[in-house]
Amino acid sequence: GAGVSQSPRYKVTKRGQDVALRCDPISGHVSLYWYRQALGQGPEFLTYFNYEAQQDKSGLPNDRFSAERPEGSISTLTIQRTEQRDSAMYRCASSSRPTVLTGGNTIYFGEGSWLTVV
Amino acid sequence: AQKITQTQPGMFVQEKEAVTLDCTYDTSDQSYGLFWYKQPSSGEMIFLIYQGSYDEQNATEGRYSLNFQKARKSANLVISASQLGDSAMYFCAMREVTGANSKLTFGKGITLSVRP
Repeated sequence: GAGVSQSPRYKVTKRGQDVALRCDPISGHVSLYWYRQALGQGPEFLTYFNYEAQQDKSGLPNDRFSAERPEGSISTLTIQRTEQRDSAMYRCASSSRPTVLTGGNTIYFGEGSWLTVV
Repeated sequence: AQKITQTQPGMFVQEKEAVTLDCTYDTSDQSYGLFWYKQPSSGEMIFLIYQGSYDEQNATEGRYSLNFQKARKSANLVISASQLGDSAMYFCAMREVTGANSKLTFGKGITLSVRP
């Protein structure tokens, strides 16, 4: 697609419910990131994929959070048994090449999914 | 230690003037990349400019330039001829690569307000 697409844009869920957030990266992009951003704060790293391999999940806060990217394209971030403290914007980003640091290997962000747990 | 430090409180600038947003970083890697993103009130995260650690020239993109001082580990963003639409939150970020892992770490951001 033309840009990184995330769905749903807004999600209100009751505490204790499971939530799945979807990310469709830019076509052909190898690397995919998930971030969480609270209001007025910088994005906080959650997890990172190269193709379908989850390279780093050190930022996932606890075992209620998981992510997958089974075919190396679309990714899903799942939060089980949601809690009010999970309320935040969840952002996905992608880039074309995983390790090249030269100019042009820009990381593009989606518009984010706002999650509110009530 | 924080990887990316943005310590300025909210910044104000008069329209058409230049402004510098500060960013310092901490890494032991020789190869890394530095990014600046703009986040307006709409919530988008807009890429502005990129500087690689081995790039000899400071990066420039239109009205944006990056004042890269490697020895001081600083990567300040300079916005020339500020416009009202530049009012937003600005984030500095660093990408470090270790093997197949490429992690992008953000600072806490700086709020810029442009006055007419």
